[in-house]
Amino acid sequence: GNSVTQMEGPVTLSEEAFLTINCTYTATGYPSLFWYVQYPGEGLQLLLKATKADDKGSNKGFEATYRKETTSFHLEKGSVQVSDSAVYFCALSEGGYQKVTFGTGTKLQVIP
Amino acid sequence: DVKVTQSSRYLVKRTGEKVFLECVQDMDHENMFWYRQDPGLGLRLIYFSYDVKMKEKGDIPEGYSVSREKKERFSLILESASTNQTSMYLCASSFVGRGTEAFFGQGTRLTVV
Repeated sequence: GNSVTQMEGPVTLSEEAFLTINCTYTATGYPSLFWYVQYPGEGLQLLLKATKADDKGSNKGFEATYRKETTSFHLEKGSVQVSDSAVYFCALSEGGYQKVTFGTGTKLQVIP
Repeated sequence: DVKVTQSSRYLVKRTGEKVFLECVQDMDHENMFWYRQDPGLGLRLIYFSYDVKMKEKGDIPEGYSVSREKKERFSLILESASTNQTSMYLCASSFVGRGTEAFFGQGTRLTVV
């Protein structure tokens, strides 16, 4: 079956530091890849996505590139802010009904 | 704006009670999903539905059932609540199609005592 593995948290960074959250996946077919974010007390919302190999998704300064050869979709941001503190989930979907499989989430805390 | 609305933010139920969690979406999405979220385990799929009256088991369906009588509404049923079902429950919906985004409700934090 499908699975998503992402780095354990929590990750604590100082403001303006560089962020990388690693994500690798296993899929039976050719999935679409996503990063969702959950701010404190809120539901999940889409941060970015990529639907084919070598595509780069980007939003709010975050980026991730779909690497089929390494089955990875690592999240990066050049300069984090306190407002980026949240839980980040890597996910994939595939199949006729696009069932979504999530990773375990990585909590990011950014300190001033 | 797409809206996915879960009927309760917080619920406290007793062991053995039958519990209904309701979810409504307003974007005519074909797919609807129920997940539970637990620390260290991420989101695990309980059931999903791709059409009215159609349902598929997810990864952890034991102890749960679902109902989808109308396209916009997807209910999760705990037939006999147990303490190990204390969790955050998240409903989501999406269109069918490659790369489509899932929209989530705010979640229901269920405590079974």
